[in-house]
Amino acid sequence: AQSVTQPDIHITVSEGASLELRCNYSYGATPYLFWYVQSPGQGLQLLLKYFSGDTLVQGIKGFEAEFKRSQSSFNLRKPSVHWSDAAEYFCAVVLSPGASGGYQKVTFGTGTKLQVIP
Amino acid sequence: NAGVTQTPKFRVLKTGQSMTLLCAQDMNHEYMYWYRQDPGMGLRLIHYSVGEGTTAKGEVPDGYNVSRLKKQNFLLGLESAAPSQTSVYFCASSFYMDSNQPQHFGDGTRLSIL
Repeated sequence: AQSVTQPDIHITVSEGASLELRCNYSYGATPYLFWYVQSPGQGLQLLLKYFSGDTLVQGIKGFEAEFKRSQSSFNLRKPSVHWSDAAEYFCAVVLSPGASGGYQKVTFGTGTKLQVIP
Repeated sequence: NAGVTQTPKFRVLKTGQSMTLLCAQDMNHEYMYWYRQDPGMGLRLIHYSVGEGTTAKGEVPDGYNVSRLKKQNFLLGLESAAPSQTSVYFCASSFYMDSNQPQHFGDGTRLSIL
């Protein structure tokens, strides 16, 4: 079964500093990988996704993520964090219906809460 | 655009009471999903639907029922609420079930069972 690990439960960075959120996955083949962001009291918003091709993918709000097959990782980065980036971030592995038994199975990590200090 | 709308946003129930959570989407999506979110556990799939009139069990279906009588609506029911069902419930929808189509989420329903 596939799994997603986000080893950092909580991260605090200063505004303007760079950010890297870690995500490791376990799956027999190359999965589809997503990053979502959840602001307080809101639902999940898609930041970016990776399916194939270029291992560095660009997303919204200035975020990017790099897929590293050798490390089974899909880390999220941002060069300069803004106070509005404070939120919870979820990495997700997505399996096709054929691989999951009939539905788009999304396995979420447990999330990383980002705090931004002035 | 409204996207995915969940009602109510908050609710407090007593053990044994019943209630229905409503999810409505205006994107003409075929597929809809109900998740629950608990601290430290991410999101877990309760039930899903691949089209009007269809429903299927997800990973944690016990204690819940669903119905999809209209394409745009997906209802989640709790027949006899239990404290273990205290959670934040999210509805999501997607156009295709292909893996490269992201799910669009509502803002959640915060449910407390006393």
